[in-house]
Amino acid sequence: EIVLTQSPGTLSLSPGERATLSCRASQSVSSSYLAWYQQKPGQAPRLLIYGASSRAAGIPDRFSGSGSGTDFTLTITRLEPEDFAVYYCQQYDSSPPRYTFGQGTKLEIK
Amino acid sequence: QVQLQESGPGLVKPSETLSLTCTVSGGSVSSYYWSWIRQPAGKGLEWIGRFYTSASTNYNPSLKSRVTISVDTSRNQLSLKLTSVTAADTAVYYCARIAVVGALGDWGQGTMVTVSS
Repeated sequence: EIVLTQSPGTLSLSPGERATLSCRASQSVSSSYLAWYQQKPGQAPRLLIYGASSRAAGIPDRFSGSGSGTDFTLTITRLEPEDFAVYYCQQYDSSPPRYTFGQGTKLEIK
Repeated sequence: QVQLQESGPGLVKPSETLSLTCTVSGGSVSSYYWSWIRQPAGKGLEWIGRFYTSASTNYNPSLKSRVTISVDTSRNQLSLKLTSVTAADTAVYYCARIAVVGALGDWGQGTMVTVSS
């Protein structure tokens, strides 16, 4: 089983700043199968990034994903007030089919 | 755009079976892969299982012995059954459409299920 570890647990930043969130896998993950989600209180998660670096429909270009192998990053340039939320990375294992989430990073207003 | 709405009892007794339904609108339940995911209060996300056809259903190994996911094409619904529930099964349960391989696109709003006597 692949384990995803996200860091930091909590990130305190101000609007306008740049956020860098990390997701590290216990073994190599196909870049095609690494996704990022945003979750606000009381809401369902929203897909931001799939395939490690492709933005989902309607996602602003201040969100970007990168990485390969075991290290992946979600970057948010110029934080907007609505970006403060919890972010999860997720990987898909095709054999056998299984989805695994990281424990989340809380992005809070400083 | 596909829209999803979960429904079912908000309270289930220990040892009983949790049964939830996800009603799909804006698309056919026969045309996509679907998943159930759950989230205990204040905690992270746990994938429960995936359905495409009866012959193509996969479950989280930690839940496999207790979970069944199926679809009702006549009602355009996805369903989840989890047997022998305990307090550890208390969570918000989400259904989601697998939009691209490896990622969960459209999500329902979630339904809270509490296991308690």
